[in-house]
Amino acid sequence: QVQLQESGPGLVKPSETLSLTCTVSGGSISSYYWSWIRQPAGKGLEWIGRIYTSGSTNYNPSLKSRVTMSVDTSKNQFSLKLSSVTAADTAVYYCARATSGGDCYWPCAFDIWGQGTMVTVSS
Amino acid sequence: QTVVTQEPSLTVSPGGTVTLTCASSTGAVTSGYYPNWFQQKPGQAPRALIYSTSNKHSWTPARFSGSLLGGKAALTLSGVQPEDEAEYYCLLYYGGAQSYVFGTGTKVTVL
Repeated sequence: QVQLQESGPGLVKPSETLSLTCTVSGGSISSYYWSWIRQPAGKGLEWIGRIYTSGSTNYNPSLKSRVTMSVDTSKNQFSLKLSSVTAADTAVYYCARATSGGDCYWPCAFDIWGQGTMVTVSS
Repeated sequence: QTVVTQEPSLTVSPGGTVTLTCASSTGAVTSGYYPNWFQQKPGQAPRALIYSTSNKHSWTPARFSGSLLGGKAALTLSGVQPEDEAEYYCLLYYGGAQSYVFGTGTKVTVL
């Protein structure tokens, strides 16, 4: 079965760039939307953005100026970069897949999530 | 800024029924918002339950159902089990901005 695994530094300094990668195993990365989502401790979920396997991206308007996503289909991986981080960016970061099916004639069905990775922004 | 609002907390007895709702600050929620629902237990990643308003994943228990109710997306738990105690989040798609917004979350307590 398809599994997602986030990886990257657990500690990032303020003003630097947070970089995470999500590796897709057990299936193809093609023809899905791939999202990044984060959750500060004790708080709710926030959608950061998504990338299609063609490389097309959409970002949360509140984060758009700092977010870059990319995909490497040869490695079955996609990545997140968040620049100029502050303590407010400290959170568990998840990657997730959206697929088509049922009433979703385009990939609008979120199904598989990674286990999440904790990122702390601190000097 | 778009806000998606859910009930902060709901309590239900084992075997009972509870309905969670998901409202958009922009107006009535329709099928065009492709509502997704997720369950999250402490220390775990969210688990997908419902997509596109009412579609269930293969692993979604039959007691969970999704619908539109009074201009909101809704998740109904029927015949609640103790293991249903969790936080539930909705997710709405805003096509104009091509972006998603999560709801504020509902803590369901089974008591």
